[in-house]
Amino acid sequence: AQKITQTQPGMFVQEKEAVTLDCTYDTSDQSYGLFWYKQPSSGEMIFLIYQGSYDEQNATEGRYSLNFQKARKSANLVISASQLGDSAMYFCAMREEEAGGTSYGKLTFGQGTILTVHP
Amino acid sequence: EPEVTQTPSHQVTQMGQEVILHCVPISNHLYFYWYRQILGQKVEFLVSFYNNEISEKSEIFDDQFSVERPDGSNFTLKIRSTKLEDSAMYFCASSRQGPNSYNEQFFGPGTRLTVL
Repeated sequence: AQKITQTQPGMFVQEKEAVTLDCTYDTSDQSYGLFWYKQPSSGEMIFLIYQGSYDEQNATEGRYSLNFQKARKSANLVISASQLGDSAMYFCAMREEEAGGTSYGKLTFGQGTILTVHP
Repeated sequence: EPEVTQTPSHQVTQMGQEVILHCVPISNHLYFYWYRQILGQKVEFLVSFYNNEISEKSEIFDDQFSVERPDGSNFTLKIRSTKLEDSAMYFCASSRQGPNSYNEQFFGPGTRLTVL
């Protein structure tokens, strides 16, 4: 079974500074994908970034980057130059991607981290 | 930009009543999902749907739940006899391809279900 752990219930960062949100995972799958979603107070789920387990490069999307350390089973999200609009709940999620695997793409989510950006 | 839509945005119902939550996935997507999020908790997978049948379901998705794709565009979640603990935000999601490729799931805005 897959498990995602986000150990930081809440994080605070000063505007324009960088912040790292932690995510560790546990899986016996060889092929998997890791995702980060942002959930603002309005409730919608916004996709931020994806990392495949076989990707050699860390994923980047604008101000978001994923610090993928496969041996440590961690997939931390780094947000550079924080903005007030980054204040939200952030979820790390994983899915099985084994060819011929039994999963049809369900995402397993962590508990989330509430990020607050101070001016 | 295409998006997943969900209606209603908020549904209030009495315990024991049936509710149907509606979703319109992105038009060329093939994989459909329902998730729920109890207030303040993590998002939990309920069911996935592909090729007009359920492909995977969680323990939460018991006999009280059913899904249907009645036409080429809608994807519905029915809760037959609601319980207080069904109160949650329900998210519909869709993806174009399966899990064996880089392929994000697009989430709808959610339906907040309140069972009284």
